[in-house]
Amino acid sequence: NAGVTQTPKFQVLKTGQSMTLQCAQDMNHEYMSWYRQDPGMGLRLIHYSVGAGITDQGEVPNGYNVSRSTTEDFPLRLLSAAPSQTSVYFCASGPGLAGGVYEQYFGPGTRLTVT
Amino acid sequence: AQTVTQSQPEMSVQEAETVTLSCTYDTSESNYYLFWYKQPPSRQMILVIRQEAYKQQNATENRFSVNFQKAAKSFSLKISDSQLGDTAMYFCAFSSPYGGATNKLIFGTGTLLAVQP
Repeated sequence: NAGVTQTPKFQVLKTGQSMTLQCAQDMNHEYMSWYRQDPGMGLRLIHYSVGAGITDQGEVPNGYNVSRSTTEDFPLRLLSAAPSQTSVYFCASGPGLAGGVYEQYFGPGTRLTVT
Repeated sequence: AQTVTQSQPEMSVQEAETVTLSCTYDTSESNYYLFWYKQPPSRQMILVIRQEAYKQQNATENRFSVNFQKAAKSFSLKISDSQLGDTAMYFCAFSSPYGGATNKLIFGTGTLLAVQP
């Protein structure tokens, strides 16, 4: 199993550009989520999904869109990048209710810089 | 709303010694899950240990153990026989099985642990 994979590992954007951060998992997990990590603030939840076709907002959703068309993939879209979105982004997945456990498994992260 | 607090931004320990990282949390729920994640310089988030609130026995994973005090809402991590590879940022996290986002993790701000040779 590859676990949770994320691409790209690094990205530099100019203000106003758009891009998609890719996330995939091969563990057949129901639950997937996106977090951002900023210095001194821990990880904060952006969006999450409890299954294909179902998404919802987390703590800091503004400026980001998500969709979940398959169990495996959960891309995060930045429609118009802003310097405030400079951060490290983590995708995570977990078995959810069906698995009976609640830990999550994280991808390697994407470091995004918006200039 | 649930919150997680780590009051030690940085700590240092000598190799082979024992260190304890503190975490407190706030919740009104009776059942929940607590985790410690390790983030080394590679940036990868690695699950170290987890504790289910309804279990009174403290979780242990090799050199890592927790002191779970439910009434005090405290969840500290003890690392025994510290090794250089333990140098990392450590995050305490909370998850509740109630509500729609059953896997939602709430993180503390982290403790940066440096193991000195």
